[in-house]
Amino acid sequence: DARVTQTPRHKVTEMGQEVTMRCQPILGHNTVFWYRQTMMQGLELLAYFRNRAPLDDSGMPKDRFSAEMPDATLATLKIQPSEPRDSAVYFCASGLPRGGETEAFFGQGTRLTVV
Amino acid sequence: GEDVEQSLFLSVREGDSSVINCTYTDSSSTYLYWYKQEPGAGLQLLTYIFSNMDMKQDQRLTVLLNKKDKHLSLRIADTQTGDSAIYFCAVGSSGNTGKLIFGQGTTLQVKP
Repeated sequence: DARVTQTPRHKVTEMGQEVTMRCQPILGHNTVFWYRQTMMQGLELLAYFRNRAPLDDSGMPKDRFSAEMPDATLATLKIQPSEPRDSAVYFCASGLPRGGETEAFFGQGTRLTVV
Repeated sequence: GEDVEQSLFLSVREGDSSVINCTYTDSSSTYLYWYKQEPGAGLQLLTYIFSNMDMKQDQRLTVLLNKKDKHLSLRIADTQTGDSAIYFCAVGSSGNTGKLIFGQGTTLQVKP
């Protein structure tokens, strides 16, 4: 059963601490997306990678957020230092391009609470 | 930039049909998608339609596409309580970037 796996599922941390979220894309998928979901903003694209290279991270606050793909089976999203306004559900999705687009398969998300 | 708009809330009675609407500004998308999000879960691809089609039926789901008006709809026949969820419309971004632009999501409430 191929699925996108995200860890941790829940994270509570204090303001100022570093947070690392991990994602294992579906084997064979070469495109990975990071989305953030909040009540106010809905679903926002933070960054996405193709073949491990960042294609677009314009949605990500550069001063505190960083996204990487150390290898094809792992994507990470790091926040340092974290702030209460970063509280949200962070989704990773993976896919394969077709016809100029990529059908995205989502993980269960990491619910982050920064207090 | 691209924009995808949906109404935020829809309430129907069990057994009725539900129609969730979506409008978009960019018409270059090859595929248009509907995702479903149940409470506490990720988004699950529900169905999609190729942009050169105007209708697609998949069991209780019917997707209608009006390219001229840039309007997409999802009809759920015989709506069940298990259909209660948030439904997201998504279209491909212009410029062949491969990324999807999502609407705000429509919360469907099904009353018994």
